[in-house]
Amino acid sequence: DAGVTQSPTHLIKTRGQHVTLRCSPISGHKSVSWYQQVLGQGPQFIFQYYEKEERGRGNFPDRFSARQFPNYSSELNVNALLLGDSALYLCASSLEPGQETQYFGPGTRLLVL
Amino acid sequence: SQQGEEDPQALSIQEGENATMNCSYKTSINNLQWYRQNSGRGLVHLILIRSNEREKHSGRLRVTLDTSKKSSSLLITASRAADTASYFCATDAGTGNQFYFGTGTSLTVIP
Repeated sequence: DAGVTQSPTHLIKTRGQHVTLRCSPISGHKSVSWYQQVLGQGPQFIFQYYEKEERGRGNFPDRFSARQFPNYSSELNVNALLLGDSALYLCASSLEPGQETQYFGPGTRLLVL
Repeated sequence: SQQGEEDPQALSIQEGENATMNCSYKTSINNLQWYRQNSGRGLVHLILIRSNEREKHSGRLRVTLDTSKKSSSLLITASRAADTASYFCATDAGTGNQFYFGTGTSLTVIP
């Protein structure tokens, strides 16, 4: 079975631009969460989506938004990019929000110049 | 801010030795999990321990949880070079659906 997949693997943007990151969960998983991992730090929770609805949001500005599609895949959008948005963006899926174990994708590494 | 804090930040041991890393957290939890991350890529789930459990084993891994001290430890026995990675603890801070990670312990196992 395929694991969580994310695209693209790497991305370079300039300040002020917009970026869209994509995630496909494990087949049968209905919940997707997004995390930001800055170099040298642990992942920080951004969003959780379940059945196309936002179920949780971390302490991130409104420049960050996400959505989940009927096939349970998800997009993370970041507007007006700042240098500090440079990070590894991780997607994790689980069967449902209350399930304890999350399965992570390989991440998208974003560099903002 | 990070919910958890791992200690030590970095650990270097010889192959065959045991590695112990600790995690402290701030709020009540439903469960605590340990993850491994190789070279800044995706995280691999290692073990989950619930708030009503005190110890759990999985292969060469042993996890303990002390909710009164809000702390957990991960022991890797008979370490191998392939265990070289960063290790993170994560808690749900009682939310059930939002996971908060610590700052990580970087483990190097020298062959």
